Amino acid sequence: QSVLTQPPSASGTPGQRVTISCSGSSSNIGSNYVYWYQHLPGTAPKLLIYRTNQRPSGVPDRFSGSKSGTSPSLAISGLRSEDEAHYYCAAWDDSLRAVVFGGGTKLTVL
Amino acid sequence: QVQLVESGGGVVQPGKSLRLSCVVSGFTFSSYAMHWVRQAPGKGLEWVAVISYDGSNKYQTDSVKGRFTISRDNSKNTLYLQMNSLRDEDTAVYYCAKDLYSTLLFPAPGDSWGQGILVTVSS
Repeated sequence: QSVLTQPPSASGTPGQRVTISCSGSSSNIGSNYVYWYQHLPGTAPKLLIYRTNQRPSGVPDRFSGSKSGTSPSLAISGLRSEDEAHYYCAAWDDSLRAVVFGGGTKLTVL
Repeated sequence: QVQLVESGGGVVQPGKSLRLSCVVSGFTFSSYAMHWVRQAPGKGLEWVAVISYDGSNKYQTDSVKGRFTISRDNSKNTLYLQMNSLRDEDTAVYYCAKDLYSTLLFPAPGDSWGQGILVTVSS
């Protein structure tokens, strides 16, 4: 059971915009930055968003992070076939004194 | 370019020990906190441990406390994970990852990860 909760799956067609949600509690998402990662099987995970809404250099601006209240989300616009991957949110948890991950969302591009 | 290369994985019996290494290049290793993250077969990413840039602060997930130890040798640009009393549930691909920062104010795996090394715990 993951501390952060994500929908197990999401889907969209090429060109569409999809969003992936992540929920937690006041000890993690409510008080700390959220990170988002993209992971394809057999490869190293890739940082997409840090500090809730910042994009590392080299990450396309199709990827964006936001947070409304205590509900962060990752948005992917102009969906492409190469975006098909697993996406994970993560945050520091002040109570557990640990980084906690969501269970991951498998994105399918139809 | 930035490289992180894990080694030391393999097949080990339950209760035995293993030490993973992660040799880095392409950035100033001694300036960044470092993490270990794992992925068990068919499961999602699970954070294991973090160490500050100078090794003075460390945190671990509860399931490995008392069994795993994270350490670093800045003179060798190398991160370690000493794993003792291994259990079946420790079977996973282990990744080392660079943090974006040096201290542990807002720790999280950052912009550079290794390719991962498989650890299989089985009798």
